[in-house]
Amino acid sequence: GAGVSQSPRYKVAKRGQDVALRCDPISGHVSLFWYQQALGQGPEFLTYFQNEAQLDKSGLPSDRFFAERPEGSVSTLKIQRTQQEDSAVYLCASSPGTVQNQPQHFGDGTRLSIL
Amino acid sequence: AQRVTQPEKLLSVFKGAPVELKCNYSYSGSPELFWYVQYSRQRLQLLLRHISRESIKGFTADLNKGETSFHLKKPFAQEEDSAMYYCALSGRFGNNRLAFGKGNQVVVIP
Repeated sequence: GAGVSQSPRYKVAKRGQDVALRCDPISGHVSLFWYQQALGQGPEFLTYFQNEAQLDKSGLPSDRFFAERPEGSVSTLKIQRTQQEDSAVYLCASSPGTVQNQPQHFGDGTRLSIL
Repeated sequence: AQRVTQPEKLLSVFKGAPVELKCNYSYSGSPELFWYVQYSRQRLQLLLRHISRESIKGFTADLNKGETSFHLKKPFAQEEDSAMYYCALSGRFGNNRLAFGKGNQVVVIP
């Protein structure tokens, strides 16, 4: 596709369940980012991949959060034993290279609601 | 640590009036500054970045390192400018992850 694709668009889970969120970046994009956006807030950085290497996971809020990008394209963000505070929109973004001033291209996000 | 502050959450302006969205940042190095916009039912997209020094959709933003600001301006607001605007910073973290402000909701009144 032409842009970053995320699935599912909406996810409802019960507290304690595990969830997996998928991101298809723009083809050929080296850099991939995950952000978490709580209601009324700006996006907050979670983790960064350069190809298949996870170079920065400093933004992951706990060890319940895990991300992977095994072949350097599609990425999955997994949240184990979900809690209510995990409710947010999860955004994926990609950029062509690793230069500082390159713009990031965002997906529509996955809106996660934990009951 | 890096921080981006957008002090006004909601800004209502009449069509044809000037718009100014304030953005201040805190960063010890040389940052790259961006404005992203999210129109209703659309994804977050880049509006402009300071390094390009360009005007997009009539918007401009000037990086003022002395005041650590990157305010977004447009002389005459249009109805299609109604959207959510986010100021963002990319520093030399080893990658180009973005630090966002909380955003400004702009409503242009016809």
